[in-house]
Amino acid sequence: AQSVTQLGSHVSVSEGALVLLRCNYSSSVPPYLFWYVQYPNQGLQLLLKYTSAATLVKGINGFEAEFKKSETSFHLTKPSAHMSDAAEYFCAVSDLYNQGGKLIFGQGTELSVKP
Amino acid sequence: DSGVTQTPKHLITATGQRVTLRCSPRSGDLSVYWYQQSLDQGLQFLIHYYNGEERAKGNILERFSAQQFPDLHSELNLSSLELGDSALYFCASSPRPTASGANVLTFGAGSRLTVL
Repeated sequence: AQSVTQLGSHVSVSEGALVLLRCNYSSSVPPYLFWYVQYPNQGLQLLLKYTSAATLVKGINGFEAEFKKSETSFHLTKPSAHMSDAAEYFCAVSDLYNQGGKLIFGQGTELSVKP
Repeated sequence: DSGVTQTPKHLITATGQRVTLRCSPRSGDLSVYWYQQSLDQGLQFLIHYYNGEERAKGNILERFSAQQFPDLHSELNLSSLELGDSALYFCASSPRPTASGANVLTFGAGSRLTVL
């Protein structure tokens, strides 16, 4: 079965510092991977997705993620954190074993940004 | 605004009661997915409908049921409610399921259910 694991339920960075949110996947076939962001009292918004076209994926709001097959990782980064980046971030993998394409989510990482 | 509309936004009810959550997908999307988000369980997939037909079931309790109507809106029915059913329920939609798996889900703002 496919799954994702997010390392660290809480990450705190200073404004302007590098953001690194970790995600490792488990899949016996090439996966399709996603990062979503959830701001307080809102739904989930797509940040970026990996669909095998390129290993480095750029998303919205300056975020990017790199697919590393050898490490089974898809970590999310942003060079310089902004206060508005404070939110919860979810890594997800597309369930390829069932028709329908539902997403399987990790437990989420809450990002805090200190002034 | 994501284009996925969920009502009601908040709902407070008592144990043993029944509620219905409604979802209108983005215009043109045929698939509707329901997820439950709670502090202890995270985001759990409940059920998926495509063009009126059930396509996949997740960890959905027997007390819960769903359907998708001809106009493509969907309803999630929760009955014999328990305290543990308190959660945020999300609906998401996508154009159609794809064998490739590169299926982007667009989420609504959620319905927050509180069972007292």
